[in-house]
Amino acid sequence: DIQMTQSPSSLSASVGDRVTITCRASQSISSYLNWYQQKPGKAPKLLIYAASSLQSGVPSRFSGSGSGTDFTLTISSLQPEDFATYYCQQSYSTQGITFGQGTRLEIK
Amino acid sequence: EVQLVESGGGLVQPGRSLRLSCAASGFTFDDYAMHWVRQAPGKGLEWVSGISWNSGSIGYADSVKGRFTISRDNAKNSLYLQMNSLRAEDTALYYCAKFGWRRTFDYWGQGTLVTVSS
Repeated sequence: DIQMTQSPSSLSASVGDRVTITCRASQSISSYLNWYQQKPGKAPKLLIYAASSLQSGVPSRFSGSGSGTDFTLTISSLQPEDFATYYCQQSYSTQGITFGQGTRLEIK
Repeated sequence: EVQLVESGGGLVQPGRSLRLSCAASGFTFDDYAMHWVRQAPGKGLEWVSGISWNSGSIGYADSVKGRFTISRDNAKNSLYLQMNSLRAEDTALYYCAKFGWRRTFDYWGQGTLVTVSS
């Protein structure tokens, strides 16, 4: 199975900060990397697909980059509604999908 | 509007079985693969199982292989998860998720809670 490792596992930041979360795959996954946001009590929401494509309706302050094994999610200027948990997910292996362990983004 | 509505969760004793269902609407169900993803209380997301549009390709996480069976009924726009030999570590919120053309989980249900406890 392909292992996905996210860092950091938690992060404290302030409104207006620029934040970067990283995700590393245990083998090359090309650009089959997606990012999700989850708020307490809610289902995850797709933010970024194919490593760098913004899902429709997602604010442009969210961006993704990377290919192969190393990927990043960047929030350019944190807004109050962005405090949540973020997950990366690989779909290179469609019947062996794996998620990162999550990054909890908290208000400083 | 795409809707995914899970049902069938509940409290079950270790070793027993449970069958989850997911009713889909708002899209052409038999055009898409479907998956189950779970989340233990306070923990992260864990992929459980996926099934292709025609049931020709099926996969399971190692943690459930041999105990869980995924299936679908395209005539009923429904996805199922038969869970046997349940363990305490299977306790989680189980989400049904649509697998979009871009290999993403583009729509999720609200989940059904499975609690395995004596």
